[in-house]
Amino acid sequence: QKEVEQDPGPLSVPEGAIVSLNCTYSNSAFQYFMWYRQYSRKGPELLMYTYSSGNKEDGRFTAQVDKSSKYISLFIRDSQPSDSATYLCAMIREDSSYKLIFGSGTRLLVRP
Amino acid sequence: GAVVSQHPSWVICKSGTSVKIECRSLDFQATTMFWYRQFPKQSLMLMATSNEGSKATYEQGVEKDKFLINHASLTLSTLTVTSAHPEDSSFYICSATGQTYEQYFGPGTRLTVT
Repeated sequence: QKEVEQDPGPLSVPEGAIVSLNCTYSNSAFQYFMWYRQYSRKGPELLMYTYSSGNKEDGRFTAQVDKSSKYISLFIRDSQPSDSATYLCAMIREDSSYKLIFGSGTRLLVRP
Repeated sequence: GAVVSQHPSWVICKSGTSVKIECRSLDFQATTMFWYRQFPKQSLMLMATSNEGSKATYEQGVEKDKFLINHASLTLSTLTVTSAHPEDSSFYICSATGQTYEQYFGPGTRLTVT
């Protein structure tokens, strides 16, 4: 079993929809949680960074962490065609030399 | 967010030659840098972790003599692919982190070995 599970998609939604992306994990030692967006043949771009449980909002993006359920989410409001990309969740165990453990990534397609 | 650059963005080399890829943190001091490779439609695979002034720590299965990593300063790390072969063709991405756990990625380098 992988440490971090993420549905690979693809997820296809119409423009303006609310998108929900999710990851589950098995190791309760994860403390830092990140969401990255990666366009084809580009490096990942850090979208959201949260520590422990809770919500964080930045513009159209909201990240949620539920450590009791070992479940994290990224919501995208008013989705745009430019949001079409692969979204990677990633997490770090404290005292693990900053090593990121990635999900497999979810491909998102926002249709005009 | 912080900016990480990579050079070159794309390189083609002949089998048997060596290629060096540079990774720079432009607006922060990177205490730790990471090197990944990524195959099409797959997630990133960590190759090694490097701390400034120390030897790199390689992941299991990564040949340290083939993938030489140098982290000579707080803003520069290099990856040298020695005696490259076609199976080394891939997308190589570096990332860097400073005093926090936030990790920033470079734009990637596409290596094609002919």
